[in-house]
Amino acid sequence: QKEVEQNSGPLSVPEGAIASLNCTYSDRGSQSFFWYRQYSGKSPELIMFIYSNGDKEDGRFTAQLNKASQYVSLLIRDSQPSDSATYLCAATDNFNKFYFGSGTKLNVKP
Amino acid sequence: NAGVTQTPKFRILKIGQSMTLQCAQDMNHNYMYWYRQDPGMGLKLIYYSVGAGITDKGEVPNGYNVSRSTTEDFPLRLELAAPSQTSVYFCASSYSPPQGMYTEAFFGQGTRLTVV
Repeated sequence: QKEVEQNSGPLSVPEGAIASLNCTYSDRGSQSFFWYRQYSGKSPELIMFIYSNGDKEDGRFTAQLNKASQYVSLLIRDSQPSDSATYLCAATDNFNKFYFGSGTKLNVKP
Repeated sequence: NAGVTQTPKFRILKIGQSMTLQCAQDMNHNYMYWYRQDPGMGLKLIYYSVGAGITDKGEVPNGYNVSRSTTEDFPLRLELAAPSQTSVYFCASSYSPPQGMYTEAFFGQGTRLTVV
């Protein structure tokens, strides 16, 4: 069974702070890693992807990947109330199947 | 360009009834997926397809069937609906990545199904 694990939260941070979201995965053969944001009652939307070890930055978001530790993280700088949502971590296998974690709920307090 | 379109958006089904959830994509993606999401949970893969005529089971296939006769359409069939199938169903699509590249999954708006 290919597992993706996330802390369900909720993670509460004040507006303007850094939010740190973490994810581990069980399949060493996982190819690519994704962070999706999902607002309540809506479908997931892509925030970032990463497939090489190290950091990848896109605006206020930074994704980090450590394949040796099987660990993925997402940092959100200058958190805004509009960032309040559930963040889903996903990994793909060799067959391009996406496996999702259960999500971390983020609350950004004004 | 509509992306991934799911119908219906909402449905209430009685125990033992059957229905088909429709999914269509207009991006010429070869991969298509069906996921279910239970309250407070992540997405669980039901079935997926790598192209027309080719489907395979995911993590939770029991009680469901799929077919893929065209690149665009990937319907999900529920036979003999049970309360355990109450969930939100998402269809998604993606394309074959060049080696070493990523491919994101594009999601439909979801179908909220209640079995009573």
